[in-house]
Amino acid sequence: EDKVVQSPLSLVVHEGDTVTLNCSYEVTNFRSLLWYKQEKKAPTFLFMLTSSGIEKKSGRLSSILDKKELFSILNITATQTGDSAVYLCAVNGRGSTLGRLYFGRGTQLTVWP
Amino acid sequence: GAVVSQHPSWVICKSGTSVKIECRSLDFQATTMFWYRQFPKQSLMLMATSNEGSKATYEQGVEKDKFLINHASLTLSTLTVTSAHPEDSSFYICSASEGLAGFAAYEQYFGPGTRLTVT
Repeated sequence: EDKVVQSPLSLVVHEGDTVTLNCSYEVTNFRSLLWYKQEKKAPTFLFMLTSSGIEKKSGRLSSILDKKELFSILNITATQTGDSAVYLCAVNGRGSTLGRLYFGRGTQLTVWP
Repeated sequence: GAVVSQHPSWVICKSGTSVKIECRSLDFQATTMFWYRQFPKQSLMLMATSNEGSKATYEQGVEKDKFLINHASLTLSTLTVTSAHPEDSSFYICSASEGLAGFAAYEQYFGPGTRLTVT
């Protein structure tokens, strides 16, 4: 059965710290991996990764994919209290349902001032 | 652009009643809409995929007679939870895409969600 596993489930840090969130997957016919930020409501899109070894970067956030080892990491540097949220990893696999996303349980990040 | 709304944001209903949740794409035509359910501290679980004008495709284990999905227009999909029970209490999120075939997964826009509480 396809699955996406995120770790850690929960993380508490102080402002200014750097964090690394992990996502491993086993999905048939992998197509892409996506990271989302969820703050109590709808997930907001952060990155989509399709190729190994190419880092995607947006401000203090960056992400990279390893298709050989089947995992991705999301890095957040110089964390701020506004980064507190649940970070979701989702994988899109080819299948009968186009666009179907398999979500992990998420990592709850709390940043203390 | 690419805004998806849901109504209501939060609904409380009595056991045995039916509840309808609306999902609208405000500034684009949504050929495909997805309905997810999220229990506390759990991941989003896809319930069904609907394409405008055709019957929804339900994921394994989701009762299609209990969760009625209608995607009658390119901007509106509805999810009706029939004969709701306390175990149906959850956070329901829809997402919408312009694509029908071959669209990129990132082009899926999420609504703000509807919290359903069944007493």
